Amino acid sequence: AQTVTQSQPEMSVQEAETVTLSCTYDTSESDYYLFWYKQPPSRQMILVIRQEAYKQQNATENRFSVNFQKAAKSFSLKISDSQLGDAAMYFCARIQGAQKLVFGQGTRLTINP
Amino acid sequence: DGGITQSPKYLFRKEGQNVTLSCEQNLNHDAMYWYRQDPGQGLRLIYYSQIVNDFQKGDIAEGYSVSREKKESFPLTVTSAQKNPTAFYLCASSIASGNTIYFGEGSWLTVV
Repeated sequence: AQTVTQSQPEMSVQEAETVTLSCTYDTSESDYYLFWYKQPPSRQMILVIRQEAYKQQNATENRFSVNFQKAAKSFSLKISDSQLGDAAMYFCARIQGAQKLVFGQGTRLTINP
Repeated sequence: DGGITQSPKYLFRKEGQNVTLSCEQNLNHDAMYWYRQDPGQGLRLIYYSQIVNDFQKGDIAEGYSVSREKKESFPLTVTSAQKNPTAFYLCASSIASGNTIYFGEGSWLTVV
């Protein structure tokens, strides 16, 4: 089975510091999309950032950026200047077969004031 | 406002009952999806639809049914055949398959 793996069940960071969440995936496809979603206590899934595999440039959205290593099948999320509102579960996901979003198990991020 | 609306937010089901979760979107998206999330877990795909009057099973379709009579609507019925239905259910949509998927706010289903 083609999977998405998040090896860090929990992470914590001091407010205003930088934290990196890890994600690796398995795929036999050459072109695909990768995503990071945030799930706060309200449980709504919010798109944080998206990366297209054919693009070598790492995606960036304000304080959020990714380190996409296609050969290593690695897709980490860096959050700079962490804020209390960043506290949430973060899920890495990949589109599989142009139809299905396959999720990792999630990383719970805590922000310490 | 544009978005995906799920209702009800909370639903209680008695043993042996069928219940239906509503999902409506006004984003003009072609594809719609239903996911299930259990505590501490990621999301698993139940059903998806790429076009009106057509839908496909996901990874955990047993005990669930769907319909797609209108582009805007994709209701999910949890039947009595679903033995462990207590979970958080998320509806989602995308412009087309393979594009970014956007989620509704979710529905909690509890068996009592």
